[in-house]
Amino acid sequence: QKEVEQNSGPLSVPEGAIASLNCTYSDRVSQSFFWYRQYSGKSPELIMSIYSNGDKEDGRFTAQLNKASQYVSLLIRDSQPSDSATYLCAVKAGGGNKLTFGTGTQLKVEL
Amino acid sequence: GAGVSQSPRYKVAKRGQDVALRCDPISGHVSLFWYQQALGQGPEFLTYFQNEAQLDKSGLPSDRFFAERPEGSVSTLKIQRTQQEDSAVYLCASSLFEAGEAGELFFGEGSRLTVL
Repeated sequence: QKEVEQNSGPLSVPEGAIASLNCTYSDRVSQSFFWYRQYSGKSPELIMSIYSNGDKEDGRFTAQLNKASQYVSLLIRDSQPSDSATYLCAVKAGGGNKLTFGTGTQLKVEL
Repeated sequence: GAGVSQSPRYKVAKRGQDVALRCDPISGHVSLFWYQQALGQGPEFLTYFQNEAQLDKSGLPSDRFFAERPEGSVSTLKIQRTQQEDSAVYLCASSLFEAGEAGELFFGEGSRLTVL
């Protein structure tokens, strides 16, 4: 079992819809959770971080964390074609020094 | 520059050649990481520096891989006797904080290595 699992997609949503991206992790001591966006041929860029259970909202993005279920998700409201990218879930253990990434979910927002 | 700079952006090597990849992190950033990203995969951790000290090299796949950051700024990832399975994008990332603390990682554009 991989440490961080994501559905590779592609996930296709129409413009204006809500895109829901999901991630599960295996290490119960994980403390920090991140969503990175990676455009094709480009480097990952951080879009959301979340550290405690519940929801965290930033503009059109909402991260949701459930440590009991070892589950973290990213919702993108009012999806735009410019949101088309691969979304990487990353997890860090408390006091650890590295991020462990999932394989990423490819999102396609269609006109 | 304002961001993490990596060079070369593209490198083609014949199997058995040695390569060196350079990373220039954001000025003042304490932490520096190297990741390897194969096509269609997420980045895989290779090694971590806190200033000039290499505190974690558990992700280096073999003893052909070597990384250094002698003055706590620029880092070089060296791969000796390259093999086809080394073909990947090598990403460098830096952070203002020590890795045990929460903080954003800033990634460079990567060095794409192709081994023929």
